Parts: sequence; structure tokens; C-alpha cells
Amino acid sequence: NAGVTQTPKFQVLKTGQSMTLQCAQDMNHEYMSWYRQDPGMGLRLIHYSVGAGITDQGEVPNGYNVSRSTTEDFPLRLLSAAPSQTSVYFCASTRLAGPNEQFFGPGTRLTVL
Amino acid sequence: SQQGEEDPQALSIQEGENATMNCSYKTSINNLQWYRQNSGRGLVHLILIRSNEREKHSGRLRVTLDTSKKSSSLLITASRAADTASYFCATEGGTSYGKLTFGQGTILTVHP
Repeated sequence: NAGVTQTPKFQVLKTGQSMTLQCAQDMNHEYMSWYRQDPGMGLRLIHYSVGAGITDQGEVPNGYNVSRSTTEDFPLRLLSAAPSQTSVYFCASTRLAGPNEQFFGPGTRLTVL
Repeated sequence: SQQGEEDPQALSIQEGENATMNCSYKTSINNLQWYRQNSGRGLVHLILIRSNEREKHSGRLRVTLDTSKKSSSLLITASRAADTASYFCATEGGTSYGKLTFGQGTILTVHP
């Protein structure tokens, strides 16, 4: 199993540009989520999904959109990038029947100029 | 808002010594989890303790949970240089299944 994969590993954007961060998992996990990690801080939840077609907001959802068309994929879209979105983004997944450990991807380091 | 506060923010020890990290949280929880993050990498799950448990062991790891004080501690015994990493506690509470609230982490450095 590849686990949770994320692409790209690094990305530089200009203010106002849009992009999609990709996340995929091959463990048939129903629950997937996106977090951002800023220097000296823990992770903060952006959006999450409990299954295909179901998404909801986390703690810091503004400026981000998500969709979940399949169990495997959970892309995160930045609609109009801002310097405040410079961060490291992590995708995670777990089984819905819990409590269970969460599996994290390697992260995407995003810089917005 | 950050649920957890971790203490200390940084810890430097010699190989073979024990490392203790503490985590405090604010609201009621279903479980508390500890994760490790090596520099520039993703988080790796270490151990989960449910709210009705007081202590749990996994290899060289020992976690305690005191729900009356809303606090937890992670003890790593006989530390190795490979244990050098950031350690985060994360809480899952109420009806918020899967929604983890993280502390800001403890940076552990183990010197060979």
C-alpha cells in the first residue's frame, strides 16, 4: 500500500493564482481531512469528509474548497491564493469506525508571493 | 483555536535518558493521541489513549491521561538519537469524530 500520497511536494504561487493540491489514499478509508501547519504551531483543520459526496468545514476553511467524488481522492483547491496561505498542507485519512489512528501524507509546502 | 498546550516547547537530552512531554487541553475529549513528526516529513501516529483509560504502553512509550486535570504525558524511555523529532498531542472530542485538535508540539533533541 502507498498509504496517503500528496502532490505536489512544493509549490510557489503568485497572489491571486489558483491551484489544486492533490491527495489520494489506497486504504479504503471513509474519513479524509486537510490540515495546515504554520511555523511553531500544531496542525489546524481546514476541511474534512466522511465519505464520497460529503464534506464539511473545519477550523480554518476560508479561501479553500474541497470535493469528494471518490473514496480515494480528496483534492484541496485554493481559489485565489494569498500570502497568508503560505503553509505546509497535510492530508490525512482514517476509518470511520473509530477511534483510530490517522494516517498522514508527506505534505505539500506552499509559498504564496 | 489550539486545544492543547504542550510543555516544554523544546527538550534536549542525552541518549539513554528518559524524555517526558506534557499536554494540557481545555474541553472534554473522547481520546487523546500522540504523533511524531520528523523534520520536513508527515506525522506518524504513536499511541492513542481513550478517555476512560489512565495509562497505556507501547514499546518504549508510556502515556498517561488525567481527565480531571485535562492533561496527558508522554514518556519515552532510554531515548535514542533516532527519537529526535517534534511530538504533538491531539485531542478528539464530543461528536467531532476524526476532527483532531493539535497542540503546538514539543521539539525533542537526543544527543548521541
